[in-house]
This record gives sequence, structure tokens and C-alpha cells, in this order.
Amino acid sequence: DTAVSQTPKYLVTQMGNDKSIKCEQNLGHDTMYWYKQDSKKFLKIMFSYNNKELIINETVPNRFSPKSPDKAHLNLHINSLELGDSAVYFCASSHLFPTPAYEQYFGPGTRLTVT
Amino acid sequence: AQSVAQPEDQVNVAEGNPLTVKCTYSVSGNPYLFWYVQYPNRGLQFLLKYITGDNLVKGSYGFEAEFNKSQTSFHLKKPSALVSDSALYFCAVRELSGGSYIPTFGRGTSLIVHP
Repeated sequence: DTAVSQTPKYLVTQMGNDKSIKCEQNLGHDTMYWYKQDSKKFLKIMFSYNNKELIINETVPNRFSPKSPDKAHLNLHINSLELGDSAVYFCASSHLFPTPAYEQYFGPGTRLTVT
Repeated sequence: AQSVAQPEDQVNVAEGNPLTVKCTYSVSGNPYLFWYVQYPNRGLQFLLKYITGDNLVKGSYGFEAEFNKSQTSFHLKKPSALVSDSALYFCAVRELSGGSYIPTFGRGTSLIVHP
């Protein structure tokens, strides 16, 4: 009965590789998000999709490409991984419209380590 | 642009004592304010939110927060701290920006409750 799930939980890879992280929510929410949490625990939004439409696209290298095949899934593909990409990536979901008053539900995170 | 400040990196309190975790915000319109908690190696969990109405908001696990518009603050409080409350706490705000409700998180405050 997991609400927001992410796979994999841990990802260790070498510089230059391409990797993907998958996220699924079973809460019936219309909006999903990707966040990056760095080693100092600072949390920064990267992308958000509402009903499969990209609505938030913060200053993120274009090596990062989100894809939302449907409302319940949001994947993150990263090309040419760099050392600085090492972080914990969180997926989240929420209702959004008609107001932004809804809280977000977060997945357990994917710890990406680039060597 | 909206912003959130959590002035304390760490708050230490003895079990049984009241606790306060501070948050101030800056928005151009009406704020939507949230508190989340993150336990080690876990995703964020929603605690409470202020949208409108009563300035004192009650949330999960006995936490409450007071919205103060004149001081642009939204401090998190609990009358009697538990060791199990030890975690990382994030204040967040959402405001309309560029057609989307961008969520902005504070840098987090580590709460340590001593037995």
C-alpha cells in the first residue's frame, strides 16, 4: 500500500554513464515532482508535471530529462553523469488545482553516487 | 521571488521541555506555508499547513505552528518534546510564480531532543 515509491533505492555508477530513476504514486494525485537533496540536506525542486504536462522546470542541466507517461508515473533520466550529481533524489506528488494548498507526499528517495 | 529562512541549523532541547523551530518567509502575495519532517534515510512527511483562517494551526504528532503575518513568521512548536521528535524539520512556502506554484523549502533545522 506504498503511496509514493521510487526505484532503485540506491544507485552507484561511474561518471559518464546514463541512468534512470522511476517513480510511481497510487494516491490519485494530478501533480508529481522531482527534488534533489544535496549532502547538506538542502532540498531543491527540479521539475514538476501536472497531468503529464511539465509545469515547473527549474535551473537544471539539460542532462536531466523528466518523463511522465501518465499521471501516476514520473521518471528521471540523467545523461553523462557527473560527480556533482551525487545526491538523494526525491519524488513527490500532490493535488494542485484549484489551489496549491495541498501538501506533498514524498517517496523514500534514491541515493545516487557517482564515482 | 519567494524565500524561506530557517535561522537555526540545530535546536537542542531536553525531553519534556517545549520546543520551537523558527521559520520566516518572504512572498509577494498570500503565502501557503507548510512544515515537513524528515527522519534519517527517509522521505519528508507532512506535519501541518497554514492556508487561511486561524493563525494557530495544529498538526500531526502534537505539533502546532503559529502564523504571524506582521512578523512573516511560521514557527513550529510542541509543548513537550519527545526523544522520538529528533529529526530534520523543513519549512516550505508556495507562491504563484510564472504561472506555477513553485514550492520553496528552507534549509532545514535539525532538532535534537536529549533524554
